[in-house]
Amino acid sequence: DVVMTQSPLSLPVTLGQPASISCRSSQSLAHRDGKIYMTWFQQRPGQSPRRLIYQVSKRDSGVPDRFSGSGSDTDFTLKISWVETDDVAVYYCMQGSHWPWTFGRGTKVEIK
Amino acid sequence: EVQLVESGGHLVQPGGSLSLSCTASGFTFSLYWMNWVRQTPGKGLEWVASMDQEGSEKYYLDSVKGRFTISRDNAKNSLLLQMNSLRVEDTAVYYCTRVDWGSSDYWGQGTLVSVSS
Repeated sequence: DVVMTQSPLSLPVTLGQPASISCRSSQSLAHRDGKIYMTWFQQRPGQSPRRLIYQVSKRDSGVPDRFSGSGSDTDFTLKISWVETDDVAVYYCMQGSHWPWTFGRGTKVEIK
Repeated sequence: EVQLVESGGHLVQPGGSLSLSCTASGFTFSLYWMNWVRQTPGKGLEWVASMDQEGSEKYYLDSVKGRFTISRDNAKNSLLLQMNSLRVEDTAVYYCTRVDWGSSDYWGQGTLVSVSS
């Protein structure tokens, strides 16, 4: 199975400052169709996960452009250009390029 | 508006069975792959099973193969998960999700399955 290693697991951030979360996969996420199925989710307290980014860098409808995804092969990053109070949540990476789909352990973003 | 509503979560004894269902609305259900994903405080998010539009392709997490069965009724816009031989480690919130662009774009609110004696 592909192991998704997220870091850091906890990220205290000052309001208005940027934040960056890393996710590394144990093998290349290049699918045989040429795409990379790397996804980022946000889970606010008490809510279901919400997809933010799919296929590495494509933002879902309604997601602020403060959120961006990048990376290739085995190294991926979610960046928040400036953190707002609404961004307090746990963020998960997930790969869907290989069965079984696997998630990272999550990064808890909190305000300092 | 896309909505996914799970039901069927319950307290069940180890070795018991449970059937979860998910009712979809707000989109053409028959056009999408669908997933079950579960979440526990200890293991986080864990993909459980996926199914294509017609039921010809199904994929399962190794630890549930042979015990869980994913199915769907496109006429009723519903996704099912039959869970047999339940184990304590199957305790989790189970989410029904729609698949688009290679991952889960919409999630239900989840239903809690507790396996305990």
